[in-house]
Amino acid sequence: DGGITQSPKYLFRKEGQNVTLSCEQNLNHDAMYWYRQDPGQGLRLIYYSQIVNDFQKGDIAEGYSVSREKKESFPLTVTSAQKNPTAFYLCASKQTPRTSLSTDTQYFGPGTRLTVL
Amino acid sequence: AQSVAQPEDQVNVAEGNPLTVKCTYSVSGNPYLFWYVQYPNRGLQFLLKYITGDNLVKGSYGFEAEFNKSQTSFHLKKPSALVSDSALYFCAVRAPGDAGNMLTFGGGTRLMVKP
Repeated sequence: DGGITQSPKYLFRKEGQNVTLSCEQNLNHDAMYWYRQDPGQGLRLIYYSQIVNDFQKGDIAEGYSVSREKKESFPLTVTSAQKNPTAFYLCASKQTPRTSLSTDTQYFGPGTRLTVL
Repeated sequence: AQSVAQPEDQVNVAEGNPLTVKCTYSVSGNPYLFWYVQYPNRGLQFLLKYITGDNLVKGSYGFEAEFNKSQTSFHLKKPSALVSDSALYFCAVRAPGDAGNMLTFGGGTRLMVKP
């Protein structure tokens, strides 16, 4: 998990509230990603960003929002529009390959477990 | 669209025996393939990847995987399992030239190694 931090580790939200999950990386990676993991399922992509001040929707972006104001940070907001937000949220980052494919690997943070009360 | 299948929800193996965790994929073009491991309430840890070159890829903790283009498979293997290998394993694929550099993950396989 080194180099990518997520906070908090556990988060509880009341229905109707917006919450923001933090993701910070000190790896100088260009690209950052947010995934959602539900029990018995693989990871599903919520949003990703390949460069500062730019981001794109993934497969399940509805009810979520992101920002990328700094290279190191990619916070995810779970809005009240997300109907079933209880899940494990994983952030990842990757150096965009320029001269070597060996950098083409996503590295993950430790995750945030969000529970809606 | 690309996809990954991990046909076994769980694999049980005795400590010291060889293990195999299966993965098949579907993607246009030559795939980039990855294996990750997840321990309870933790993030994913990178194990190994195939981009190009030798079909047998060696990774962390004694794991290896073999890329088989004709069978569109990338099975994870280890000659001798340890109890500490018990975890959730994910296979992932990326299509070459994908502008978003996005990975598609399989549903995961839980490996249980019994003493």
